[in-house]
This record gives sequence, C-alpha cells and structure tokens, in this order.
Amino acid sequence: GAGVSQSPSNKVTEKGKDVELRCDPISGHTALYWYRQRLGQGLEFLIYFQGNSAPDKSGLPSDRFSAERTGESVSTLTIQRTQQEDSAVYLCASSLSGTGEETQYFGPGTRLLVL
Amino acid sequence: GENVEQHPSTLSVQEGDSAVIKCTYSDSASNYFPWYKQELGKRPQLIIDIRSNVGEKKDQRIAVTLNKTAKHFSLHITETQPEDSAVYFCAASGSTALIFGKGTTLSVSS
Repeated sequence: GAGVSQSPSNKVTEKGKDVELRCDPISGHTALYWYRQRLGQGLEFLIYFQGNSAPDKSGLPSDRFSAERTGESVSTLTIQRTQQEDSAVYLCASSLSGTGEETQYFGPGTRLLVL
Repeated sequence: GENVEQHPSTLSVQEGDSAVIKCTYSDSASNYFPWYKQELGKRPQLIIDIRSNVGEKKDQRIAVTLNKTAKHFSLHITETQPEDSAVYFCAASGSTALIFGKGTTLSVSS
C-alpha cells in the first residue's frame, strides 16, 4: 500500500512568514510523529500524535511551532514567523499503534529553507 | 528521559571489510532498538531492529547485538559493499517516541 507522504517536498520562504507542512500517514496507523533534521544532524523529535490528540509535545522548540491532526489521518505542522534557524528537513513518521516499541515508517520529508 | 549516544560519527572502510557502529542509551526501561539507514536525500528506512528479550539478531550481512546490562547495542555489517554507503541511525524507545542517535556516516570505497 501507499507509504507516508509529505507535501510540499521543498519550501522556500522569507523570514517572518508562516509555513504549513503536511503529512499523510499510512492508512490505519494511529500514531504520527514529527521530527526535524538539520543539515548533517540527527533526528530531533518534535511532537507525537495518538489519534488526533497530542500527548507529547515536549520537542516543540518554541511557541512558534504548532501541529494538529484530524482524526487518524492528515497532520499539519505550522511554523509561525519563521526564522533562519528553522531551515531543516521536517520528517513525518507513522506507526500502527504508537506504543513506542514498533517500527516507524518515514515520509520523504519537507526541505524548508528560510531566507 | 532517554538519551542515545552513537559512535563513531564517520566510518570509512574498504569494500569487503566489516563495519561496526555502537550506541549507548540511558533509560533502562527502553526495550526496542531499531537501526535506520538514510541515503543522501532520502528518507530513513528501517534495516533491522532488536527487542530487549533477544541478545542478537541477524539478517544476511547485517547483525545487531544488545547488552542490556551495559545499556549498549551495536550494528555489524559484514562484507561491505559501496551501496552500504549511507548515514546510519540507532534509536531507543522512549516513553512515546523513538530517541535517535546523531548518526554515523559510513563510506565504503571500492
């Protein structure tokens, strides 16, 4: 079946603008995760959804970052008033039930460049 | 919370040699340890995983070992090939999400 998809694949924006990144998880996966990957760096956890609730938002770096999920489907990550340090690849992953002990399947990522 | 350290950050080997990447973790409650491979510009993909009730797992040229007492686990790649060149990430299960190491860039030269 279809894997995790993300859009847009690339986004260039000006400092101070808001951006929305979209993630479509694998159908039937209740858990959804957002990670940030700066150039040449590891995967930084941002937020976790179980269904449409977010029990763990501990990784969001500031109040400019927010995310929502409708049902057990699409999620959007919003970054307000973007800064140059927000430039990174934003990866979304989904897993079947969200126990933290199961395979996470990653999307291709959105490459965000803030000028 | 969980913290994962990964070493080395870069590793260069000749084709046919073995490669070993090591990770340590801090939370003794972690019991799931996957390894992901990320080729340049691509998404991370799971290559092998191990759970805490198992000490070793093999899949063709790839093996993972786990020492729960010492809280470390390792990835072993034998008979390396140029297509093994990529960034490899270890991870350990946290309370909700996986906690990743910072990655190892493996270069296999022919």
